[in-house]
Amino acid sequence: DAKTTQPTSMDCAEGRAANLPCNHSTISGNEYVYWYRQIHSQGPQYIIHGLKNNETNEMASLIITEDRKSSTLILPHATLRDTAVYYCIVRVDQAGTALIFGKGTTLSVSS
Amino acid sequence: GAVVSQHPSRVICKSGTSVKIECRSLDFQATTMFWYRQFPKQSLMLMATSNEGSKATYEQGVEKDKFLINHASLTLSTLTVTSAHPEDSSFYICSASNRRDSSYEQYFGPGTRLTVT
Repeated sequence: DAKTTQPTSMDCAEGRAANLPCNHSTISGNEYVYWYRQIHSQGPQYIIHGLKNNETNEMASLIITEDRKSSTLILPHATLRDTAVYYCIVRVDQAGTALIFGKGTTLSVSS
Repeated sequence: GAVVSQHPSRVICKSGTSVKIECRSLDFQATTMFWYRQFPKQSLMLMATSNEGSKATYEQGVEKDKFLINHASLTLSTLTVTSAHPEDSSFYICSASNRRDSSYEQYFGPGTRLTVT
């Protein structure tokens, strides 16, 4: 079963920052927080992951609280192409460990 | 970046026939590949974990005799849906695990849409 809780849906205006929250209150010390997204009828796309420090890459930023019980994915300037289902997943980072998907957040970006 | 392909992208078959779906890691070797199934408006559900050269590990409720998985090389895994029925119609997605910068990232294929008539 998924170990994360996310809002079912969120809306965001094009050009604004999209902040997607995720609760993972039972996360273990060796589990990472991963974010993937799935655009309609495509395979999931990796966005970012982190253990306890905040992370940033060309797609997004990941803010993890100090107690690691929640995190926020930030898309700094949302575009229409960012409309997708966003999945927050906790997983031990080792070979052979699968990603277990919850229901995710459907982000709708509108102009 | 790491690329995973699937073939075919779409397939329609008649009830009772078998269908094979291929998953390839194009620019890296994947010791582990995973197979997921996704029904409309639902999330991805893990079906099985496949390690190169060994038998796949199936999730509870997934029939191993119906969903045959072969992982004969480090770049290819196949899923065969045997004696397909309309309830097997779904979006099948594979992924491959690659060690990069000391972490194990998982890269997904584009998916295969199976329709059983």
